[in-house]
Amino acid sequence: EAQVTQNPRYLITVTGKKLTVTCSQNMNHEYMSWYRQDPGLGLRQIYYSMNVEVTDKGDVPEGYKVSRKEKRNFPLILESPSPNQTSLYFCASSFGQERTGELFFGEGSRLTVL
Amino acid sequence: AQSVTQLDSQVPVFEEAPVELRCNYSSSVSVYLFWYVQYPNQGLQLLLKYLSGSTLVKGINGFEAEFNKSQTSFHLRKPSVHISDTAEYFCAVSFTGANNLFFGTGTRLTVIP
Repeated sequence: EAQVTQNPRYLITVTGKKLTVTCSQNMNHEYMSWYRQDPGLGLRQIYYSMNVEVTDKGDVPEGYKVSRKEKRNFPLILESPSPNQTSLYFCASSFGQERTGELFFGEGSRLTVL
Repeated sequence: AQSVTQLDSQVPVFEEAPVELRCNYSSSVSVYLFWYVQYPNQGLQLLLKYLSGSTLVKGINGFEAEFNKSQTSFHLRKPSVHISDTAEYFCAVSFTGANNLFFGTGTRLTVIP
């Protein structure tokens, strides 16, 4: 089954404790992206990757890191989480330009930073 | 400045009634337009998209949207809603022609039995 898998789905952590949210897709997509969803703000892009070893900042990259060492994986790293990073996070992937805008989303990871 | 506006944060509608969810954008360049739907506790899924060609676009589950360049709008419509259409709907715009989408703040559609 074609899917984007995120882990963990739910996480409660404390300020400053490094964490990683994993994202994996099995559709051989070149493009992957991370969004955060907050009430009243919709989805905002954190980072994206056009292909392996190519990453770039989105609209709200502060406090986050990403890597793209393999085509299928795109982990989101919070080196020192803070309470303002409490949010619902979505990973998404897509084919290249020929399917512009058709993003496949994971089910989301709800993060709470105390 | 480039932006996407969904003026209605919540839209309640009775079952089998028609519905329109509004989306306006601001851009000085050509855009690609999308509607995504998010059912409770799920990720988003593509409902329909406009890249070029006919301005009336049909999507899944009986939804359609019309691109109006002069009014910079891309409103979503359905002639008769079902309980199962209860969800949050996001309008999204690509300003660069790539996969980087800029999302609106969402409209929560609640279908009342």
